[in-house]
Amino acid sequence: GENVEQHPSTLSVQEGDSAVIKCTYSDSASNYFPWYKQELGKGPQLIIDIRSNVGEKKDQRIAVTLNKTAKHFSLHITETQPEDSAVYFCAASPSYNFNKFYFGSGTKLNVKP
Amino acid sequence: NAGVTQTPKFQVLKTGQSMTLQCAQDMNHEYMSWYRQDPGMGLRLIHYSVGAGITDQGEVPNGYNVSRSTTEDFPLRLLSAAPSQTSVYFCASRPTGNTEAFFGQGTRLTVV
Repeated sequence: GENVEQHPSTLSVQEGDSAVIKCTYSDSASNYFPWYKQELGKGPQLIIDIRSNVGEKKDQRIAVTLNKTAKHFSLHITETQPEDSAVYFCAASPSYNFNKFYFGSGTKLNVKP
Repeated sequence: NAGVTQTPKFQVLKTGQSMTLQCAQDMNHEYMSWYRQDPGMGLRLIHYSVGAGITDQGEVPNGYNVSRSTTEDFPLRLLSAAPSQTSVYFCASRPTGNTEAFFGQGTRLTVV
């Protein structure tokens, strides 16, 4: 099955700085890559996603890049704010079973005011 | 819409006890799933359903049963709880043809 690795496990940045979280996947059949944000005591919430036919996608301060050849994708947050502090998860879903999501182990982002 | 509602929020069980974690959604989503979240391991898929009467196994199905008699409800049953099942459990749903999954707030289960 799919194996998704996520780094770093914790990330601390100063407010206004950028944050980058990286994930790699193993199954070349994976073609959908969402990113979820989980705030304390809440369930994960989708913040951005990308499909394998696109190399980059941006939504305001958040962007995701995908390198299919290297099997890695990254989340970029610019101009970080204290409310960005949360745990972020990447995931991959294979084309042969779109009902299955494989999650990374999570990155705890701390934005210091 | 309430979205995805999980009950209870917290539960302590003794080893060998059984219980059912409840999940309900009011968005008429066909797809529902259960995940467990353990420290340092992200979320792992336990079981999922693509519609009433249809269920399938995920990555870690052992020790758990599910059924889907209605579109709205997808309960997760622990037949004989073990300490290894101590975890936070999340239920999620999404509509057919859409990739965004909506998660409940989770149930924190401790088995002693």
